[in-house]
Amino acid sequence: SSELTQDPAVSVALGQTVGITCQGDSLRSFYASWYQQKPGQAPVLVIYGKNNRPSGIPDRFSGSRSGLTASLTITGAQAEDEAVYYCNSRDYSSNHVLFGGGTKLTVL
Amino acid sequence: EVQLVESGGGLVQPGGSLRLSCAASGFTFSDFEMNWVRQAPGKGLEWISYIGFSTSSIYYADSVKGRFTSSRDNAGNTLYLQMSSLRVEDTAVYFCARPKAGTGSYYTFDYWGQGTLVTVSS
Repeated sequence: SSELTQDPAVSVALGQTVGITCQGDSLRSFYASWYQQKPGQAPVLVIYGKNNRPSGIPDRFSGSRSGLTASLTITGAQAEDEAVYYCNSRDYSSNHVLFGGGTKLTVL
Repeated sequence: EVQLVESGGGLVQPGGSLRLSCAASGFTFSDFEMNWVRQAPGKGLEWISYIGFSTSSIYYADSVKGRFTSSRDNAGNTLYLQMSSLRVEDTAVYFCARPKAGTGSYYTFDYWGQGTLVTVSS
């Protein structure tokens, strides 16, 4: 089975732009979805499909894909964006669901 | 309002069994595939099971296959996870998660329960 790889940690200055990446063979065939998780809370979907935001998610969140890499971009990061971000997708060789290991975003 | 409420977690000894429930409300439960996702303390998210609209399609992660069984009661709007032969490494918060309607993607989860903690320890 395949896997999704994320950098463990990323930091960004308040108000600046940051990208979080997710790499995996399955992303050649399937879009990634992105989740934000704050301590003690369930994950929240922030981006899905080509570049779709669920209702209530600020437009500073956006997504993209290039080859085997999906990216979540936060344009103008806010203090409340500090969280762990997970990507997920579908395993191209099975029906299994994959999660990346998560990226801890620190807003400085 | 869509709600998913897990229950059934607790402390169990290695080798023991436990059944988790996920009570769904605010949507037509039988119209949605469902999933279980877990998170060990201080660790990332791990998908463990998918169940289709009925019980005709069920998938499991390799880490739980043969030990865990997913099922659903569409009349009672409840999802279940029967866990047996539990191991210390099964200790985690277990979430049920519903895919987002209209995406055709069973792995895009827009609703999650609050989670229920399972602790496997002697």
